Amino acid sequence: RKEVEQDPGPFNVPEGATVAFNCTYSNSASQSFFWYRQDCRKEPKLLMSVYSSGNEDGRFTAQLNRASQYISLLIRDSKLSDSATYLCVPSGTTDSWGKLQFGAGTQVVVTP
Amino acid sequence: GAGVSQSPRYKVAKRGQDVALRCDPISGHVSLFWYQQALGQGPEFLTYFQNEAQLDKSGLPSDRFFAERPEGSVSTLKIQRTQKEDSAVYLCASSLLGMAGGSEEQYFGPGTRLTVT
Repeated sequence: RKEVEQDPGPFNVPEGATVAFNCTYSNSASQSFFWYRQDCRKEPKLLMSVYSSGNEDGRFTAQLNRASQYISLLIRDSKLSDSATYLCVPSGTTDSWGKLQFGAGTQVVVTP
Repeated sequence: GAGVSQSPRYKVAKRGQDVALRCDPISGHVSLFWYQQALGQGPEFLTYFQNEAQLDKSGLPSDRFFAERPEGSVSTLKIQRTQKEDSAVYLCASSLLGMAGGSEEQYFGPGTRLTVT
C-alpha cells in the first residue's frame, strides 16, 4: 500500500458547485498535514496547513479523521481558477526528519 | 523578495551525459529539499539538507545522483551518465527552519524539466 493515496480524478465540477475529495495516509504518527495546489506545469504552492482536527480558509475546508487515517478537502462555490491538481502531504516524523511523501494528487476541473 | 529559483529551466541531455541542476533557495532558509516529479505523479523526495548537512539522501534513485550544498545556501543536484528514465521535472524547495518531520511550509522553485534523449 502506498503511504499516501489520492483519487486522481479528474473531478469535473460546475462553477459554483461544491467538491470534496480525500487523501488516505498510512503513517499514524503524522501530526500535521498540508494541502498544496499545483497548476499545470507549475510548482506546488501551499493551500492549507492542518495541525489539529481541521482547518477552514474561506471557501476551503480541510477535515482530518485520525481514526480512519484520512484527510479531506472541500471546496465550496468553485471558481474557474480552482482548476488545479491538489496534492496531499502528511508531515514526516522525527524518524524521517525532512522526508515528505506527497500523494499523486487529485485533479479538479471547474467548468463554466 | 525573491523566491526559490532554479536553473536551467529546461535541459535536454543525450543519454550518458552528465547534468548539473542548480537551486537558489530563499535567503536565510535553513532547509532545502530536492524532489523528482514524473508526469501525472506527485513530487518524489530525493534528498534533504539542513544548512550544509545532507541529513537524508534515501530518495536518491541510484549512485548516479549526487547533491551538495557546500555553503548552506545554493545547492546543486548532479546526475551522472543520464538515462532516459531520469527524464522528469526536478523541483527544489526550501523552508525557513529545520522543523522535525518537515512540519512547516515549503516554498518550491519553478523546477528544471530534464529530457534525456
